[in-house]
Amino acid sequence: ETGVTQTPRHLVMGMTNKKSLKCEQHLGHNAMYWYKQSAKKPLELMFVYSLEERVENNSVPSRFSPECPNSSHLFLHLHTLQPEDSALYLCASSQDLRTSGRPDEQFFGPGTRLTVL
Amino acid sequence: AQSVTQLDSQVPVFEEAPVELRCNYSSSVSVYLFWYVQYPNQGLQLLLKYLSGSTLVESINGFEAEFNKSQTSFHLRKPSVHISDTAEYFCAVSQRNTGFQKLVFGTGTRLLVSP
Repeated sequence: ETGVTQTPRHLVMGMTNKKSLKCEQHLGHNAMYWYKQSAKKPLELMFVYSLEERVENNSVPSRFSPECPNSSHLFLHLHTLQPEDSALYLCASSQDLRTSGRPDEQFFGPGTRLTVL
Repeated sequence: AQSVTQLDSQVPVFEEAPVELRCNYSSSVSVYLFWYVQYPNQGLQLLLKYLSGSTLVESINGFEAEFNKSQTSFHLRKPSVHISDTAEYFCAVSQRNTGFQKLVFGTGTRLLVSP
């Protein structure tokens, strides 16, 4: 596998379900991101883990819970979601500026298309 | 705080015609500027970026963008588009001198190229 991979690619869940999204990067990066992409809205940064510490939580509802066990893996745990949470969830990775010394591009995975019924 | 405006939600154009996708930003601090492209059922890919130096930056597939500080713009242009350029294009900014890269995106412009 190369780049950034995400599983599953599609997920349909009820409001009472618990599920997890998985992201893995094979680029040797030390920062990982979760974004939410909804129609007609800008991409919304949800969480950032950089150098294995969560450095930003963008006022996301607590029904979304991130986990970053190491610099290559990122999870988004979902529980009691609402229909308005249906969206494309994108994972990305990059090198933190403090270690690279220069701004690097973020590499994105293909996303998980989530539908909440 | 930064914000990005892409006024055109959709731009239809014929193959081999020129195109310009507009991007304006607002920021109280210096920023880096990016254009990302998203093809159907895929994640975003970096198209080009402005970090410093020459205000005109180019991509490998014929796109170019010019940073205009006085107009706070970073418009994307291509002199002759192909059918394969059909995609959604996102302009983004990030603040300089931060650790992780916090990208602020516009709402995107869908480029539709027809024969």
